[in-house]
Parts: sequence; structure tokens; C-alpha cells
Amino acid sequence: AQKITQTQPGMFVQEKEAVTLDCTYDTSDPSYGLFWYKQPSSGEMIFLIYQGSYDQQNATEGRYSLNFQKARKSANLVISASQLGDSAMYFCAMRAPSNTGFQKLVFGTGTRLLVSP
Amino acid sequence: DGGITQSPKYLFRKEGQNVTLSCEQNLNHDAMYWYRQDPGQGLRLIYYSQIVNDFQKGDIAEGYSVSREKKESFPLTVTSAQKNPTAFYLCASSIPDSYGYTFGSGTRLTVV
Repeated sequence: AQKITQTQPGMFVQEKEAVTLDCTYDTSDPSYGLFWYKQPSSGEMIFLIYQGSYDQQNATEGRYSLNFQKARKSANLVISASQLGDSAMYFCAMRAPSNTGFQKLVFGTGTRLLVSP
Repeated sequence: DGGITQSPKYLFRKEGQNVTLSCEQNLNHDAMYWYRQDPGQGLRLIYYSQIVNDFQKGDIAEGYSVSREKKESFPLTVTSAQKNPTAFYLCASSIPDSYGYTFGSGTRLTVV
């Protein structure tokens, strides 16, 4: 069964510093996708970045980059130059086939990031 | 602008009553999903639908029901059989097998 583990319930970072949010995953399927979402207090899930299991390079989207280490089954999110608006819950998720062939998203428990001035 | 609309944002119901949460999308996505989120936990899949008039149970379907009569709409009914219905419910849609999932802004259901 697929599983996502986020071991940091909360993280603190000062404005303009970089921060790494950890994510490890478990799947036996060779084809999968990894996602990071941001959830502000308003509740909506905002897509940040995606990494496919066959992608050769680490994904980057503006201030977000994904440190993909396939052998270690880790997909850590790096936020550079943190801003106050980055304070939110962050979820790592994996898309992989279920036993019915349906590609479902499995989420971790999230990390709450607080950015201080 | 294309997106997903969930209504209402807050919903209060008495214990034992059925309640229906609305989810409408204008993205022309074939697949739609319902997730439940409890404090300190990630999202868990309740039901999903890959095409009109077809839907499948997710990981925690007991006490819930859905319908998919139109491509744009995927309402979720929380029945009296659901033991702990108080939670935050998120609807999402996607093009099947793509990585573009779009989420609604959620409905917070409180049962008193």
C-alpha cells in the first residue's frame, strides 16, 4: 500500500531564510507522482510543485524546489527566501495506482510552517 | 474563471440528520473526488468518479453517498450512519491520469 510520511508537525523559519519540509514515501509501483500542496487557514489546497518518478531533474517552481532522492524515497520541499505569506499547512501527496488501477492521491499528515518577521 | 465551487462554506446539522454538500466545477474535468480532513490528519478519500453516472468508494466511504448525474456536479450526502461526521470536506477534480488536480475551498460540517 502507498504511504506518505511527514515527520515534522511544525516548523519555524525567519523571514527571508530557506526552509526544508520533509516527506518520505512508500510504494512498490515504479510509476508514481509526488505533489506538494499548501493549505492556508482559509482551507483551499493550493498546488505548489510536482515530481514524476521518471523525471531526471528535480522540479522547481519559483521559490519552491523539490529535493527528490529516489533511492531514499524522499521528496523534500525547499522554500527559499521565506515570506510571511508562506505560513500555512503543507501537505506532501503521492499519486499511484490502486489495486483497481485507479490513480489515487494519498496524503501525508502535513507540516505547519510558521514564518516569523 | 474556471474552478470548483463548494457550498456552503459552513454547515451545522443536528445529529441523525442527513446533509448534502454541493460541489460544482466548470473545468470540463471528467474525474471528481471527495476528501475528508480531520484536525492533525491529511486528506482521506471518500468517493471518486471518473465519468458521469459512475462512481467508486474510496478509503472511508461508510456513512456517505454520492451521485454523478452531470459532469459538472458531484454532491456528497453525509448520512446518519456516519458516526463522526464533523470534519472539513474538500472536493476536487482532475483530468484522469494527469497531475492537474483542482480543489474547492471546502465545507466545514459541524454536527451538534
